[in-house]
Amino acid sequence: QLVLTQSPSASASLGASVKLTCTLSSGHSSYSIAWHQQQPEKGPRYLMYLTSHGSHTKGDGIPDRFSGSSSGTERYLTISSLQSEDEADYYCQTWGTGIWVFGGGTKLTVL
Amino acid sequence: QVQLVESGGGVVQPGRSLRLSCAASGFTFSSSGMYWVRQAPGKGLEWVAVISYDGSNKYYVDSVKGRFTISRDNSKNTLYLQMNSLRAEDTAVYYCGGCSGGSCYSSAFDIWGQGTMVTVSS
Repeated sequence: QLVLTQSPSASASLGASVKLTCTLSSGHSSYSIAWHQQQPEKGPRYLMYLTSHGSHTKGDGIPDRFSGSSSGTERYLTISSLQSEDEADYYCQTWGTGIWVFGGGTKLTVL
Repeated sequence: QVQLVESGGGVVQPGRSLRLSCAASGFTFSSSGMYWVRQAPGKGLEWVAVISYDGSNKYYVDSVKGRFTISRDNSKNTLYLQMNSLRAEDTAVYYCGGCSGGSCYSSAFDIWGQGTMVTVSS
């Protein structure tokens, strides 16, 4: 069964870096994912497409501070030089044959 | 500028129907797979339905199969979601979106609308 697992919450200080993790279920290590950001009271915004090899393609206007990487069944989103507007929910998403899956989301607090 | 504008949300009684629309502009709608995703109050994102660029293939999450129908009119650059037999658990913000890579089977949900609220309550 295709499942994505995310930690419910994370926090980091203004100007620091944070690495969020999305874990694919066993047997799905070759899957690509997408990362999406949802700021408070707003709709989701696409951040990037991330392959199992760690290459990523960002959406239009996404700052260089956002990057992605991969290792095994884990997919990462790293945000450097944290800004107040980065405080948001972050969702990973993937897809299989006739199904699409979101992780439960990670709520990032910028201290 | 890529834009998706949803409409048709509102308050509806259990068992009734509602149709959502999503007007697209700024990208080649007729070449893009499209989708609906919903978010219940205080909850995460859940995909609801996906349709291929030409409407020939449609997929639904189990909880809406037989009740919801996704469709599209490429001549009007518009996506639809017909929702029948609505239940309280269908209460959510409904987002339409697109896969600019062409197919949602092999690329990310990378275009998002702003959402429309559907409340199912007596």
